[in-house]
Amino acid sequence: QVQLVESGGGVVQPGRSLRLSCAASGFTFSSYPMHWVRQAPGKGLEWVTVISYDGDNKNYADSVKGRFTISRDNSKNMVYLQMNSLRGEDTAVYYCAKEYMGYTYGFDYWGQGTLVTVSS
Amino acid sequence: DIQMTQSPSSVSASVGDRVTITCRASQGIASWLAWYQQKPGKAPKLLIFAASTLHSGAPSRFSGSGSGTDFTLTISSLQPEDFATYYCQQANSFPITFGQGTRLEIK
Repeated sequence: QVQLVESGGGVVQPGRSLRLSCAASGFTFSSYPMHWVRQAPGKGLEWVTVISYDGDNKNYADSVKGRFTISRDNSKNMVYLQMNSLRGEDTAVYYCAKEYMGYTYGFDYWGQGTLVTVSS
Repeated sequence: DIQMTQSPSSVSASVGDRVTITCRASQGIASWLAWYQQKPGKAPKLLIFAASTLHSGAPSRFSGSGSGTDFTLTISSLQPEDFATYYCQQANSFPITFGQGTRLEIK
């Protein structure tokens, strides 16, 4: 069965960096674009970024552009989110998510999420 | 960016009730809309994609309709497990955007 397992969250000071990882299994990982979506405590969902199946194309929300970088390693079935210059407003649960049949069809599998807290 | 506005923000209903949640896009998105259900402490689950297609595993009491800018999610007969927060998501163009959520509570 499809599994997505995020890791790497924690407490970090403003301005510092953190790298999140998402381990995928149960599907042909190299065939699917992957996304990160975040949710601030008690708030709604915010799309963060996407990476194409081969890693060649990426897209970012304006709120993280220039600070966050998405990458993937298809040999390891892993997707990463490098987060630099972290701010308080980046505090959230971060989910990795798999596209269903293309991004226009939504996300059919999500990880359990990893909590990032940016605080001094 | 395309703004997604859901209404109501919260609704109270009883088991067996029919409930409708609406989602409006700030510009046309054809039928590229998805609906998700999220329970506290859990990841969202895909219910509906392409505005009206039920995702496998989602109960048939859930249905979606609409195109362009106006969309609805209907639960035909509420079950106890349906009390959750529901989000719409436009999937027409980047950046992908979500509605603010509709919290469905037990009356």
